[in-house]
Amino acid sequence: GIQVEQSPPDLILQEGANSTLRCNFSDSVNNLQWFHQNPWGQLINLFYIPSGTKQNGRLSATTVATERYSLLYISSSQTTDSGVYFCAVEGGGATNKLIFGTGTLLAVQP
Amino acid sequence: GAGVSQSPSNKVTEKGKDVELRCDPISGHTALYWYRQSLGQGLEFLIYFQGNSAPDKSGLPSDRFSAERTGGSVSTLTIQRTQQEDSAVYLCASSRQTDQNEQFFGPGTRLTVL
Repeated sequence: GIQVEQSPPDLILQEGANSTLRCNFSDSVNNLQWFHQNPWGQLINLFYIPSGTKQNGRLSATTVATERYSLLYISSSQTTDSGVYFCAVEGGGATNKLIFGTGTLLAVQP
Repeated sequence: GAGVSQSPSNKVTEKGKDVELRCDPISGHTALYWYRQSLGQGLEFLIYFQGNSAPDKSGLPSDRFSAERTGGSVSTLTIQRTQQEDSAVYLCASSRQTDQNEQFFGPGTRLTVL
């Protein structure tokens, strides 16, 4: 099956810093989503981005499907950005199940 | 409702007991998924429902796990004879099942088996 790898596994930032999180996947995919899991465990949708670039406020994401990777950019980080960021891909077939990476644990310090 | 809802939010049970977890998807979403998040295994797919089609049960870890979806809406995940390794957060998601198949997750049920 498709393998999803995320890097770095953890990251500590000072408030106001920028960061880039990476997601590599081992095969072509139909769907790619980025999530933020907050301290209460809720998975919050950030981007649905099987290809191209999208921006939402201080966050943006780029997926290069032909090279099998996606990047999540966080600019001017805030303490509320802390949590785990997951990349998940849908490999196709009859079931559109998501295959998750192991996540990047981000801690933003004041 | 506005989002996916799940109940209960927390469940503590004794080993060997049966538990039922409930998921109410976003109105109008035809696809429903169950996932499990545990410390050792990360986030893993359990089962998928789409309309009236037969569910994809390929992710269920054992025959103690079953799920149903009544009337194409609410779903119940049942775990029989719970074991300590079943302790995890059980997450439900739904999607419109169109070309843009974005999945939205509920808050989860944290299951603890003593």
